[in-house]
Amino acid sequence: KNQVEQSPQSLIILEGKNCTLQCNYTVSPFSNLRWYKQDTGRGPVSLTIMTFSENTKSNGRYTATLDADTKQSSLHITASQLSDSASYICVVSDRGSTLGRLYFGRGTQLTVWP
Amino acid sequence: EADIYQTPRYLVIGTGKKITLECSQTMGHDKMYWYQQDPGMELHLIHYSYGVNSTEKGDLSSESTVSRIRTEHFPLTLESARPSHTSQYLCASSENLSLGQQRTTDTQYFGPGTRLTVL
Repeated sequence: KNQVEQSPQSLIILEGKNCTLQCNYTVSPFSNLRWYKQDTGRGPVSLTIMTFSENTKSNGRYTATLDADTKQSSLHITASQLSDSASYICVVSDRGSTLGRLYFGRGTQLTVWP
Repeated sequence: EADIYQTPRYLVIGTGKKITLECSQTMGHDKMYWYQQDPGMELHLIHYSYGVNSTEKGDLSSESTVSRIRTEHFPLTLESARPSHTSQYLCASSENLSLGQQRTTDTQYFGPGTRLTVL
């Protein structure tokens, strides 16, 4: 069964600290993996996308890594800000065509305290 | 920010009412989607459309229906709302994204969502 598991379920950190969120998946075949940020009451917004051949992708203070062999990904947030408080969702796509379907994780709820 | 809009943002209605959730996008995307999301849970695809007059059911069984008469609009209708329909409904549209090596995928842009509460 194709699944996407994220950990931790929730995380609280102090402003300015770094954190790492984890995503494990069993989706096969694998096309690409995305990290989305979803603010409370808003729709998800794409942060990064990585294909099989990419190990890391950065977007400002967000750095995603991918190990396609172990089917693991992480999202590292550097120097956290209050605006980073949100749910971070890992999404894996199978196949490479536009007909590929998406598998969503339940997200990690990050709270950044001042 | 993506040009995809949903109305209303919040809706509280009584059981048995008919409701329509609106979704519109100005990006000219052919593909559009409806997802249902409960707190702390993953998004579930309930409907999608690959273009005008094309609609398909998604992975999660839903009593809602959709229509796609115009490219820009993808409304979702519940003929008789029940408390079990209480959830957040997210609309999305997508465009092709090149991954190189003749491979493409979709990148989805989400609307802000409609929070529906059925009493």
